[in-house]
Amino acid sequence: DSGVTQTPKHLITATGQRVTLRCSPRSGDLSVYWYQQSLDQGLQFLIQYYNGEERAKGNILERFSAQQFPDLHSELNLSSLELGDSALYFCASSVLPNTEAFFGQGTRLTVV
Amino acid sequence: DQQVKQNSPSLSVQEGRISILNCDYTNSMFDYFLWYKKYPAEGPTFLISISSIKDKNEDGRFTVFLNKSAKHLSLHIVPSQPGDSAVYFCAASGTYSGGGADGLTFGKGTHLIIQP
Repeated sequence: DSGVTQTPKHLITATGQRVTLRCSPRSGDLSVYWYQQSLDQGLQFLIQYYNGEERAKGNILERFSAQQFPDLHSELNLSSLELGDSALYFCASSVLPNTEAFFGQGTRLTVV
Repeated sequence: DQQVKQNSPSLSVQEGRISILNCDYTNSMFDYFLWYKKYPAEGPTFLISISSIKDKNEDGRFTVFLNKSAKHLSLHIVPSQPGDSAVYFCAASGTYSGGGADGLTFGKGTHLIIQP
């Protein structure tokens, strides 16, 4: 158990809908990262937060947004969902940016 | 353009022998490299890392070698055990100009299969 908790584990939704994925980082970790793993792809970095502030952005679509709350948990919001958004979404956390990140088990999103 | 490349999608090694997983990178700003291991239906698990100021880091059966001039790193597992069968991801990070930091850039992974 990495100590990073992601909910829900599975999510099935229809195209055009909006979903929210939740992540609770390890106790004491200030940095949270979101990654997407599509079929046959490596993990693609989406966005990073550090102590409540957005720190870096990767290949995140404009339809996606995220935030980190004062209690350090984070949410990834995906809207106007398309079939191609079906993927595993991982959250990771670390004490400091760009040091060893510990990953949650992921949320498997299926868009039908 | 892939900045971190793992050119072998899969690798089969006999139990007890050495497993060598390779990774190449193109971005000279990367200064910290990590290996993650991933079992099916689980998140990646951190295995070992190396800073660009070193060329070798060892942790038990796992050793990572970094060749900065070749922009190449490798993970050696000796001896290989059945529980090592998993997907191994190479990842890199660095501090870019402007002081901003980035998340990890991952390769696509190598599926290591340890045969009894």
